[in-house]
Amino acid sequence: SQQGEEDPQALSIQEGENATMNCSYKTSINNLQWYRQNSGRGLVHLILIRSNEREKHSGRLRVTLDTSKKSSSLLITASRAADTASYFCAVHQTGANNLFFGTGTRLTVIP
Amino acid sequence: NAGVTQTPKFQVLKTGQSMTLQCAQDMNHEYMSWYRQDPGMGLRLIHYSVGAGITDQGEVPNGYNVSRSTTEDFPLRLLSAAPSQTSVYFCASSSRQLTRGYTFGSGTRLTVV
Repeated sequence: SQQGEEDPQALSIQEGENATMNCSYKTSINNLQWYRQNSGRGLVHLILIRSNEREKHSGRLRVTLDTSKKSSSLLITASRAADTASYFCAVHQTGANNLFFGTGTRLTVIP
Repeated sequence: NAGVTQTPKFQVLKTGQSMTLQCAQDMNHEYMSWYRQDPGMGLRLIHYSVGAGITDQGEVPNGYNVSRSTTEDFPLRLLSAAPSQTSVYFCASSSRQLTRGYTFGSGTRLTVV
């Protein structure tokens, strides 16, 4: 499988704290993407980082990419109860025409 | 509203029955994909298409067929339903460059008894 693997599988934090999720993958990539899924809903695209980028920001989200270690991290700052969801990384492999998803991190933010 | 529309939202099938899950997008996206989501296994790619008339297999294609006669529609057919196909199915679409991410439908929850 060419999926990404997220770590940890589950994370529980207090509102206002930062949440960090990690993703490792196996092959060369064009880009890596992060998605959010609220319970019972479809996935929503959060942010994309290209293979030649090392860091990207979007609002309270910060994504880093280390292609030498084949890993990425998603940081959510000043978390809110509404951030409670599952977060997935997805890799767009070099030469491929689709995305491969990891198994996700379940984030719970306690009010 | 622009997006990906999946029907039905829920379906119960008996083992051996066939059915088609519908997926339509109105964003003129070239790429469309079908994923299944099972607990603890993330999303696994079933079939995908890079344009009308072109389809290819993903990670778990057995038991499923697809066709892409138009840019807008990408139906998924279950040929002879099995309990192992109980899952949540998601359709997604993207522009060719995959640079803005996938837009997902809201899913079809399928139970095979």
